[in-house]
Amino acid sequence: GAVVSQHPSWVICKSGTSVKIECRSLDFQATTMFWYRQFPKQSLMLMATSNEGSKATYEQGVEKDKFLINHASLTLSTLTVTSAHPEDSSFYICSASAAGEQYFGPGTRLTVT
Amino acid sequence: AQSVTQPDIHITVSEGASLELRCNYSYGATPYLFWYVQSPGQGLQLLLKYFSGDTLVQGIKGFEAEFKRSQSSFNLRKPSVHWSDAAEYFCAVGSYNNNDMRFGAGTRLTVKP
Repeated sequence: GAVVSQHPSWVICKSGTSVKIECRSLDFQATTMFWYRQFPKQSLMLMATSNEGSKATYEQGVEKDKFLINHASLTLSTLTVTSAHPEDSSFYICSASAAGEQYFGPGTRLTVT
Repeated sequence: AQSVTQPDIHITVSEGASLELRCNYSYGATPYLFWYVQSPGQGLQLLLKYFSGDTLVQGIKGFEAEFKRSQSSFNLRKPSVHWSDAAEYFCAVGSYNNNDMRFGAGTRLTVKP
């Protein structure tokens, strides 16, 4: 139980385009989901906290207009990287909170060319 | 503000040898502590967690960790390392509702045959 999926697992896009990453809790409902960013050989940095039906809370330094988060249902949160640039290339990981524990997705590798 | 320090960036041990990964935390309230493991290009898997009670916590894959409040530490141990344990290990601290989790920088474990 408590499985979180992400789609796609990897994506390559051209600079200036937008890309959407989906995070789904497959067998439980999650009122809160989190989005992290991980640079190569570095730790996870929390980008934002997403609550179902309300606006996401972004961490300091994270551009809200660039990283659009939508949590439309109890099992789905999406992260849209708008007008992507090469510096947005990273590994994006989501997690879903249930019973006081976070369950992590497998991550999405984004490469912007 | 809470923070986590993992002093060792990279550790190499021989297969069959014992392992200890260090983790120190800073947290204003009662800490909720976690150890996660990440294989290359993958998401995070929870090894164990500590909320309260017995300060020696048993986890999956033969790992254990000991909470020492006086030292603000939560070190991860394994008596005999297997080659499959080679991965990145992250210590994390969070709050009661787990909505504010902070990760350490990670320790990369290499296992020599």
